[in-house]
Amino acid sequence: DAKTTQPPSMDCAEGRAANLPCNHSTISGNEYVYWYRQIHSQGPQYIIHGLKNNETNEMASLIITEDRKSSTLILPHATLRDTAVYYCLSRGTGNQFYFGTGTSLTVIP
Amino acid sequence: AAGVIQSPRHLIKEKRETATLKCYPIPRHDTVYWYQQGPGQDPQFLISFYEKMQSDKGSIPDRFSAQQFSDYHSELNMSSLELGDSALYFCASSDRDSWTGELFFGEGSRLTVL
Repeated sequence: DAKTTQPPSMDCAEGRAANLPCNHSTISGNEYVYWYRQIHSQGPQYIIHGLKNNETNEMASLIITEDRKSSTLILPHATLRDTAVYYCLSRGTGNQFYFGTGTSLTVIP
Repeated sequence: AAGVIQSPRHLIKEKRETATLKCYPIPRHDTVYWYQQGPGQDPQFLISFYEKMQSDKGSIPDRFSAQQFSDYHSELNMSSLELGDSALYFCASSDRDSWTGELFFGEGSRLTVL
């Protein structure tokens, strides 16, 4: 099963873009990359997912490298409420979704 | 909109006791997932069910068992509780037939073992 690795923590100034990297070098060709975030101890919240192409929704953008070994989640204008732990997930062979180590993002006023 | 409901939200048990956590998925969702998140740790996949059958197994201890019932709710049974079982237990649900890539998580059940 693919594993993901992320930096443990990052800071971002309020109003600036937050760029959160994830390394998933063992991902297979048909595996999606999923991003979730967890605010304090609440249930994780879905952000975005992608396979090969870059994706954008109302929350964020996802940039996936051409070799699919890494991706970057972009929060275009970070707010204080975006302070959370951001997880890059991989999917196993069936209904298994594995959380990586997560990046604790702190948005600074 | 209806969300995933977990009960109880908080539970305190003694070592060697038994605990049961319940999860009510979003209506019409056919897949349920259980995760365990220890203090300061990342969520760990335990087990999943699809259409009332066990789908995948993760790092679920042998002392734990789970099932999904005919109404699609799921229960996680934990026996011979140990101090290390103290954690947040999350349930998530999804609809395989209209998969959007999103798992819908409940707010979790916090188990404390004394």
